[in-house]
Amino acid sequence: DIQMTQSPSSLSASEGDRVTITCRASQSISNKLNWYQQKPGKAPKLLIYAASSLQSGVPSRFSGSGSRTDFTLTIGSLQPEDFATYYCQQSYNTPQTFGQGTKLEIK
Amino acid sequence: EVQLVQSGAEVKKPGESLKISCKGSGYNFAKYWIGWVRQLPGKGLEWVAIIYPGDSDTRYSPSLQGQVTISADKSISTAHLQWSSLKASDTAMYYCARQGDSAVYYAFDYWGQGTLVTVSS
Repeated sequence: DIQMTQSPSSLSASEGDRVTITCRASQSISNKLNWYQQKPGKAPKLLIYAASSLQSGVPSRFSGSGSRTDFTLTIGSLQPEDFATYYCQQSYNTPQTFGQGTKLEIK
Repeated sequence: EVQLVQSGAEVKKPGESLKISCKGSGYNFAKYWIGWVRQLPGKGLEWVAIIYPGDSDTRYSPSLQGQVTISADKSISTAHLQWSSLKASDTAMYYCARQGDSAVYYAFDYWGQGTLVTVSS
């Protein structure tokens, strides 16, 4: 299985801050990397696919970058609704493993 | 509008069997892989299995293969996840999700609302 490692596991930030979450794959996954947002009690929501492509309807303050083994999710200016848990996932092969999650909390 | 609607919460005893469902609508169900993702209480997301309803091709997580069975009935646009003998460690929220096509690099682009499975004596 490909292991996905996110950092940090948790992050405190303020509204308006710019934050970056990283995700590292245990082997090259090309650009087959997706990012999801999950709010408490809700299903995950796709934010970014193919490392840097914004899913339809997702605000442009979200952006992704990276290739092969190292990837980042950046939120340009935090809004109140962005405080949630974020997961990366590789869709390079099965099982399509997830990172352990990064919980973004209000400072 | 694409929708995935899952069956309701279940409370079962260890050793019992269970089958939960996920009904798709608003798209050609047979032509998209559909998967199950579990979330243990207070934990992260774990990929369980996927199936292609068109020909019932399946893939399982090696750690869960043999513990669960994924199936799909394309005639009623419904996928299932089933257990023959539940354990307390199966207690989790289970989400179904549609795997998008190559345009979204096979990400899970639509999700069900989740089915909470509780296994307790």
